[in-house]
Amino acid sequence: NAGVTQTPKFRVLKTGQSMTLLCAQDMNHEYMYWYRQDPGMGLRLIHYSVGEGTTAKGEVPDGYNVSRLKKQNFLLGLESAAPSQTSVYFCASRIAGVPDTQYFGPGTRLTVL
Amino acid sequence: GENVEQHPSTLSVQEGDSAVIKCTYSDSASNYFPWYKQELGKGPQLIIDIRSNVGEKKDQRIAVTLNKTAKHFSLHITETQPEDSAVYFCAASKAGANNLFFGTGTRLTVIP
Repeated sequence: NAGVTQTPKFRVLKTGQSMTLLCAQDMNHEYMYWYRQDPGMGLRLIHYSVGEGTTAKGEVPDGYNVSRLKKQNFLLGLESAAPSQTSVYFCASRIAGVPDTQYFGPGTRLTVL
Repeated sequence: GENVEQHPSTLSVQEGDSAVIKCTYSDSASNYFPWYKQELGKGPQLIIDIRSNVGEKKDQRIAVTLNKTAKHFSLHITETQPEDSAVYFCAASKAGANNLFFGTGTRLTVIP
């Protein structure tokens, strides 16, 4: 049982390049989330999904797109990376229903030059 | 929406002393309050949570208290150890909400 895994762990992009971050969970969770973490700003929600084929915007969705084609995977895409997107990205998942524990992945450190 | 404020942003204590981190929230409908610990280079991990039907919950050296009237909740760590050094986040949520609202974090340093 690996829990929540993220790929890649580190990435450096040039401004304007695109990339996709992959999150996978093996706990059969319905809900999945993408956060970014910046110094002094805590965790800010980018997008989330409450089930396969569904996505919704969070607090800071601009510049990002997501897809949830399979229940166990949640992809975060950057179509044209900007230096402001330099951050650590965390994926999380949880069961459906009443608010409950979110399980986080180890993070992806992205630098945009 | 919900607004969660967390204080202090940094906290240093001597090993063996107690540490207290406080959070306030704005939405009186919030009823779930978890605390996460984030060690360097890792993702946040739940350490304790409390729901609004109780005022206090303990788990060994860790306790959380909730005051719904004042809309604040606190994390208490007793007999601190160096391995308690980490960033701690509080959060709040409510029935029908799909996500958590996080505080900005407290960096706790336990000095041996």
